[in-house]
Amino acid sequence: RKEVEQDPGPFNVPEGATVAFNCTYSNSASQSFFWYRQDCRKEPKLLMSVYSSGNEDGRFTAQLNRASQYISLLIRDSKLSDSATYLCVVRNFGAGGTSYGKLTFGQGTILTVHP
Amino acid sequence: EPEVTQTPSHQVTQMGQEVILRCVPISNHLYFYWYRQILGQKVEFLVSFYNNEISEKSEIFDDQFSVERPDGSNFTLKIRSTKLEDSAMYFCASSPRLAGSEQFFGPGTRLTVL
Repeated sequence: RKEVEQDPGPFNVPEGATVAFNCTYSNSASQSFFWYRQDCRKEPKLLMSVYSSGNEDGRFTAQLNRASQYISLLIRDSKLSDSATYLCVVRNFGAGGTSYGKLTFGQGTILTVHP
Repeated sequence: EPEVTQTPSHQVTQMGQEVILRCVPISNHLYFYWYRQILGQKVEFLVSFYNNEISEKSEIFDDQFSVERPDGSNFTLKIRSTKLEDSAMYFCASSPRLAGSEQFFGPGTRLTVL
């Protein structure tokens, strides 16, 4: 089983649509969770961290379900500029229970927002 | 706004040659990382570096790879004898601390091995 698994899409949605991405992770000891955004041939950039209680940043809402090992990202009122690949990312404990910050990435979900 | 920089942006080399990829992390950051992304595939962790030593490395990071922080600003990744399958985008990242800390990624170096 892949450590971090995402639906690769692609998702093609019109402007203004609401779109949801899902992600599952296999390591129950995973420590921290993030959504990154990656534009074509660019570096990943942090979109938001994901907290157990769920969190919102403007049009973006992230949810975490530790029992199901499931993470989600909801984008409301999609903009053309939201077109990108969305990466589900987890950080696990390293050897000896200490995290050295290693990030494990999912394959990414491609989103295209069209006029 | 401070940012991670990487040079060169694109490196073309012949199989078997040594390459050094350079990174300048954000100045007050303490933790440094290299990741790679083969075209069309996911971003993969290579190595983390703290306090002048490797703190964690992946299976990909074999004896052909090494990292160094030769001075107070640069962080380098060396591939001793490149293979065709080393062709990828290599990203450097840095963070100020571990817990609750974002990793800031550089723009990447595209390595092409012929």
